[in-house]
Amino acid sequence: DTEVTQTPKHLVMGMTNKKSLKCEQHMGHRAMYWYKQKAKKPPELMFVYSYEKLSINESVPSRFSPECPNSSLLNLHLHALQPEDSALYLCASSQGGPFNNSPLHFGNGTRLTVT
Amino acid sequence: DQQVKQNSPSLSVQEGRISILNCDYTNSMFDYFLWYKKYPAEGPTFLISISSIKDKNEDGRFTVFLNKSAKHLSLHIVPSQPGDSAVYFCAARGLGNTGKLIFGQGTTLQVKP
Repeated sequence: DTEVTQTPKHLVMGMTNKKSLKCEQHMGHRAMYWYKQKAKKPPELMFVYSYEKLSINESVPSRFSPECPNSSLLNLHLHALQPEDSALYLCASSQGGPFNNSPLHFGNGTRLTVT
Repeated sequence: DQQVKQNSPSLSVQEGRISILNCDYTNSMFDYFLWYKKYPAEGPTFLISISSIKDKNEDGRFTVFLNKSAKHLSLHIVPSQPGDSAVYFCAARGLGNTGKLIFGQGTTLQVKP
């Protein structure tokens, strides 16, 4: 079982919908990440939160809006997505900050389909 | 510009034999390297890592070797088991990349019984 929990596992949404992806970890990790993975491609970084503050935004379109309510939770709010945004969205966490040499622990992802 | 490359998309190995997965990188600022395994419909699972101050790290059946002069790392799995069949990603991180992980394209390993 993964120690990073993501909900929902699957999500189908229309281009006018608003939805949120949720991620939770209770390992005391202080850095949390959103990655996006398309089929047969490596994960690509979207956002990094370090000590609950946004530290990296990889020029992600504003239709993706991250939120870190506390050190254990990370949300990704979705609005007006495009079909090409369909992908596996992975949450990860790591001990210390993103510059600390500790591995990222990933959740099992949310499979998002935009229709 | 792909900074982390896994040039073999796939590898097939007989059960019990050694699996060797390779990874090359171009950025000399990378100082921390990791290997992840991914099954379908699951997130990547951390396997093993190595800091640039070392040239080898071992954990059970998994050993990672780092050759800094060649900018090359490899993952050895001995002995290979059918349950090792998965996609393997190498990843690198360095101060020059503000701490983010850069992943290779992945190698699909198939271990045949």
